Amino acid sequence: LAKTTQPISMDSYEGQEVNITCSHNNIATNDYITWYQQFPSQGPRFIIQGYKTKVTNEVASLFIPADRKSSTLSLPRVSLSDTAVYYCLVRPAGNTPLVFGKGTRLSVIA
Amino acid sequence: GAVVSQHPSWVICKSGTSVKIECRSLDFQATTMFWYRQFPKQSLMLMATSNEGSKATYEQGVEKDKFLINHASLTLSTLTVTSAHPEDSSFYICSARPGQGADEQYFGPGTRLTVT
Repeated sequence: LAKTTQPISMDSYEGQEVNITCSHNNIATNDYITWYQQFPSQGPRFIIQGYKTKVTNEVASLFIPADRKSSTLSLPRVSLSDTAVYYCLVRPAGNTPLVFGKGTRLSVIA
Repeated sequence: GAVVSQHPSWVICKSGTSVKIECRSLDFQATTMFWYRQFPKQSLMLMATSNEGSKATYEQGVEKDKFLINHASLTLSTLTVTSAHPEDSSFYICSARPGQGADEQYFGPGTRLTVT
């Protein structure tokens, strides 16, 4: 499984766009990139998943460059309720489990 | 859709007793379920992979005789912490995947276990 590296923590003011970048230099050809969000004392919640280029949903955008060695989760106009830990994960298609790294603790300040 | 529940949401037990945690996929069938453990301020650690109708596969360092996993149906997996000790106090989270391929992995809300 490809190892991921992301910042330990980030701070942002409400209303700003937040970009969290994750490095996954050893990503394999059949690996997907997935991001999860976790609030304290809750299970992780799926945010977005992609393979290449750009993916956008109602919550976030995911940018993946051509070499796929990194990815950036973009959260538009964050609010206080976006304060959480964000995990970047890489896994192949199939029934392999998600393996979590340390994640990025995002603190949104009023 | 794709909801995973856990019961109980929290439990306190005495050292030496056993505790069972249930994980249910409410609106889909899950051939495979996963169990994770999370200590305060730390990331989720995969404990085991549970396949319906077969023995669970445990990660290195996880005692299979202490953490008994049963996946008797396509919607239910249970984790039993046997002879619990205070160091087993943790947040236990299960997840389930509806099918093969690059499907989402849906997580339960977690169970907070405190062993006194």
